[in-house]
Amino acid sequence: DAGITQSPRYKITETGRQVTLMCHQTWSHSYMFWYRQDLGHGLRLIYYSAAADITDKGEVPDGYVVSRSKTENFPLTLESATRSQTSVYFCASSVFWTNEQFFGPGTRLTVL
Amino acid sequence: DQQVKQNSPSLSVQEGRISILNCDYTNSMFDYFLWYKKYPAEGPTFLISISSIKDKNEDGRFTVFLNKSAKHLSLHIVPSQPGDSAVYFCAALTGTASKLTFGTGTRLQVTL
Repeated sequence: DAGITQSPRYKITETGRQVTLMCHQTWSHSYMFWYRQDLGHGLRLIYYSAAADITDKGEVPDGYVVSRSKTENFPLTLESATRSQTSVYFCASSVFWTNEQFFGPGTRLTVL
Repeated sequence: DQQVKQNSPSLSVQEGRISILNCDYTNSMFDYFLWYKKYPAEGPTFLISISSIKDKNEDGRFTVFLNKSAKHLSLHIVPSQPGDSAVYFCAALTGTASKLTFGTGTRLQVTL
C-alpha cells in the first residue's frame, strides 16, 4: 500500500525488554521523524533523519535508538523499556523538512 | 520550556458557528507555522500553514491568522461542522532547525 505504515499498531511489553517499532514509507521522502504523544505534552520529537544513514536527536531522545539503512524504513528501538516510555508513537515523513509532514497511524505502546 | 502553547485544552462550538483555536509562541525565530488535525486512533493530518511574511492564509472554511508582534496565531473554521470534531495541533519551525515544534493540542467538539 502506498503511504506510511507503522507496525505493530499495539504493543504491550515489560520493563527492561527491548522493543522495536517499525516505520515504512513508499514515497521515497528524504526526511523521516519519530514523535511520541503524551497528555499535556502534545507531540514531542524523539529522533529524525534527513536521509539514509543520517540521523539526529530531537527533543526527547534518551532511551531510544534509531537507524536508517534504507530510505523507506526508519525503525525506533527502545533498548530497555521503562514505564515512562508508555505512549503513542507516531512516525512521519516529508520531502524536505520545511514541507508538510505525513504521519503514520501510530503505535500504542504500554510498558508494564 | 513550551515554545508553542495552546492554552485551551478543549473548545465546544455549535454546528454552523465559527470555531477559533488559538496558539501562542515564544521563539521569535519561528518563521513558518502549521496546523494539524487529529482524529482518534489516527495520525495527525496537515490542515493549513502560513509563512511569517504573511498575516493571513485561507483555504476553504479554514483561515489562519498570524500576529507576529503578539507571537500569536489563530485558526478560524467557518462554518463549523460535526466532522471538524478532532484535536488540533499548532506547530512551528525555524528556517534553520530541521524539526517542527508542536503545541499541546486543543480538542474541538462541534455539537448539533
